[in-house]
Amino acid sequence: SAVISQKPSRDICQRGTSLTIQCQVDSQVTMMFWYRQQPGQSLTLIATANQGSEATYESGFVIDKFPISRPNLTFSTLTVSNMSPEDSSIYLCSSRGGPDQPQHFGDGTRLSIL
Amino acid sequence: GQQLNQSPQSMFIQEGEDVSMNCTSSSIFNTWLWYKQEPGEGPVLLIALYKAGELTSNGRLTAQFGITRKDSFLNISASIPSDVGIYFCAGLKTGANNLFFGTGTRLTVIP
Repeated sequence: SAVISQKPSRDICQRGTSLTIQCQVDSQVTMMFWYRQQPGQSLTLIATANQGSEATYESGFVIDKFPISRPNLTFSTLTVSNMSPEDSSIYLCSSRGGPDQPQHFGDGTRLSIL
Repeated sequence: GQQLNQSPQSMFIQEGEDVSMNCTSSSIFNTWLWYKQEPGEGPVLLIALYKAGELTSNGRLTAQFGITRKDSFLNISASIPSDVGIYFCAGLKTGANNLFFGTGTRLTVIP
């Protein structure tokens, strides 16, 4: 199964600033996704990162707030922009080798905004 | 978004006991996945199910894809302390890219 590395693993940020989270997969994958998980809660899909085109965002998430890049088949970034305390959460990168392949997750980035 | 309901929400069991948890939905899924998440880590895939009625084992874990395609079950036999964590089901619809996640079952094993 794919090994997914995320950086940073955690950060504490000031409100109003932005943070970019990096996700590296150790093999080429068709699909990459970004999720948010509030402590003790389930996972909510933010967007699907599309290689070479704009990400596909889920309801409630917009590109201005969560810009995503995916320059190739192994790498993606998620930026959390103009952060507020409500953005404090765990952000998880995920990938799937193909439509019928299992989906795997990185260990997440734990973000706290003061 | 799509809601997958897991039950029970939490479980406290004695080491050595068997565990059963389930996941139900009002919609049909063509793939069911079960994950375990421990503190400070991302979800780790335990079992993947691709066919209605399928029963799949992974060590002490057994999962089944419900015949109606609207539910799935996960059983853990002879629980041990390292089974502690949150177990999530996830469903994938035909032609869809994104997984829908269940609400989670928090398992505590008492030595």
